[in-house]
Amino acid sequence: DTGVSQNPRHKITKRGQNVTFRCDPISEHNRLYWYRQTLGQGPEFLTYFQNEAQLEKSRLLSDRFSAERPKGSFSTLEIQRTEQGDSAMYLCASSRTKGGLAGSETQYFGPGTRLLVL
Amino acid sequence: RKEVEQDPGPFNVPEGATVAFNCTYSNSASQSFFWYRQDCRKEPKLLMSVYSSGNEDGRFTAQLNRASQYISLLIRDSKLSDSATYLCVVYNTDKLIFGTGTRLQVFP
Repeated sequence: DTGVSQNPRHKITKRGQNVTFRCDPISEHNRLYWYRQTLGQGPEFLTYFQNEAQLEKSRLLSDRFSAERPKGSFSTLEIQRTEQGDSAMYLCASSRTKGGLAGSETQYFGPGTRLLVL
Repeated sequence: RKEVEQDPGPFNVPEGATVAFNCTYSNSASQSFFWYRQDCRKEPKLLMSVYSSGNEDGRFTAQLNRASQYISLLIRDSKLSDSATYLCVVYNTDKLIFGTGTRLQVFP
């Protein structure tokens, strides 16, 4: 399978614990995005990388959240001191920028990591 | 006000029906437009891009009206397998902005 993969698929944790999610993008995709989706809502942008550089962070990404993409390939999203409000599906997407209309490249989503904070 | 607004539904339609979804966006500088489909507990998948000239893919037709900042999706001859949530999406400053989605349920 050469699609976007995410691990773990499900995570249950107690409030106050730290959690880390991993995303492996499609090979040779230079952009990697993190989104969060809660029940009944569409995905919300959190942050994105172009290669290893983190180019934008949403104000949704509090200081308890940190994302890395150290070698421009896989990425990790860490949440420290989890809160019940962090319960959501965390989606990763990747794309390959190319010449032409900005935003014309397709973002491919992984299956998501479903987080439940008790 | 949300940047992308769409009716959450649900739209309950019989097989074979034609159904239309609408969406409005607030940022006139938005650059690209899409419809994504999301099945229950699955990731969103690109259904089609949306252009001002309109585009059609089989039973699906999408249309963009930049002047009114309005996007539509028409599904003809609905199938049971079309049951899903349809997300209206705009691309703006390097990120996708999603609507809340419109839920479609096609019944026999």
